[in-house]
Order: sequence, then C-alpha cells, then structure tokens
Amino acid sequence: NAGVTQTPKFRVLKTGQSMTLLCAQDMNHEYMYWYRQDPGMGLRLIHYSVGEGTTAKGEVPDGYNVSRLKKQNFLLGLESAAPSQTSVYFCASSPRRHSYEQYFGPGTRLTVT
Amino acid sequence: DQQVKQNSPSLSVQEGRISILNCDYTNSMFDYFLWYKKYPAEGPTFLISISSIKDKNEDGRFTVFLNKSAKHLSLHIVPSQPGDSAVYFCAARRGNSGYALNFGKGTSLLVTP
Repeated sequence: NAGVTQTPKFRVLKTGQSMTLLCAQDMNHEYMYWYRQDPGMGLRLIHYSVGEGTTAKGEVPDGYNVSRLKKQNFLLGLESAAPSQTSVYFCASSPRRHSYEQYFGPGTRLTVT
Repeated sequence: DQQVKQNSPSLSVQEGRISILNCDYTNSMFDYFLWYKKYPAEGPTFLISISSIKDKNEDGRFTVFLNKSAKHLSLHIVPSQPGDSAVYFCAARRGNSGYALNFGKGTSLLVTP
C-alpha cells in the first residue's frame, strides 16, 4: 500500500517550458488536491477534484491546469512556467466521508529559472 | 488574508515536558480544525482533528483544545519526545466549502534530550 505517490521528486524548468506533475493514490479516495508550499508559508490549494472527470479551482489556480481521467490519478500541468511557480508541490487525497483527513504525497520540488 | 494564524514560528521543549502549540483563526464558518505534522522532505501527516462543536479531543499523547469564543485552538503533546521534532501545521475547513483547508504557516517544534 504505497498511499500517495508523486512523480517527479525534483525538476528544474526554464521560463516558458511546460511540464506535468503526476499524482497517484491507491486508497480508493474520491477526493484529490494539489497544494503548493512556499518558504515561510502554509500550504495553499491550487485545484481539487471530487471525483473522476471533475475538477475545481482552489485558492491559487492561475497558471495551472489539472485533469482527473482516472480515479486514482490527478495531474497538474504548467503550460508556460514562470519563476513565481518555483515551489514545493504536494498532492493529497481524502475519503468523501472525512474529507478533512487528507493524506499527502512526499512533494515535488520545482525550480523555474 | 491569513485566516489561520500560527504566531510562533518555532518552539523548543525538553524531552518529557509538555509542548503547547497555538493557533488562532478568524473565520467563524470553519467547522473542523486539524493538526498536521511534517518532517523535512516529506509530505504533511494528519495528526488529530476536532469538530467545531467539541472543545477537546484526545489521542494518546496528543490533545487538541478548542476555544470558539476566543477563536483559538492549541495542541498539547505530553510527554514530548525527540521524535516529535517536526513542523506542525494548524488547518481549518470551511463548512460550506466542503473541501478546502486553510493552513497556518507552521510552528517548528524541537524536542531536546
């Protein structure tokens, strides 16, 4: 039982490049989330999904897109990376019944130069 | 607009003593409050939660107290152990949003032998 996994763990991008971060969970959770954490800040919600095929914006969605084609996967895309998107990205999942108990992946450290 | 505030960036406690981590919030619509623990290079781990209709919840060495009139909650760890050294995030869920968690900036706890 791997829980929540994220790919890749580290990435360096040049401004304007694109990339996709992959999140996978094996707990059959309905809800999935993408957060970012910047130095000295708490986690901020980018996008979330309450089920396969559905996504919604969080607190800081600009510059990101997401897709949830399968229940176990949640993808976060950066179409044209900017230095302001340098951050650590965390994926999380939760069961519908106790959605506040979120299970987090280990994070992806992204640097945009 | 920081709706969940952790005003102490760091705390140092001796092993065996009590650790008290504090959190204040501003939004009366929060219905659940949570504490997450985070080790370096790992994702946050859910620790304990409390519903807004309760004033105390206990789980082993961890107890969370909620004072709604003061919009304040605290996490007590008794007795503190070196393995408790981590960053602790306070988080809260808005009842009418269902899914979004607001996180504080975190308090770094160091438990010394």
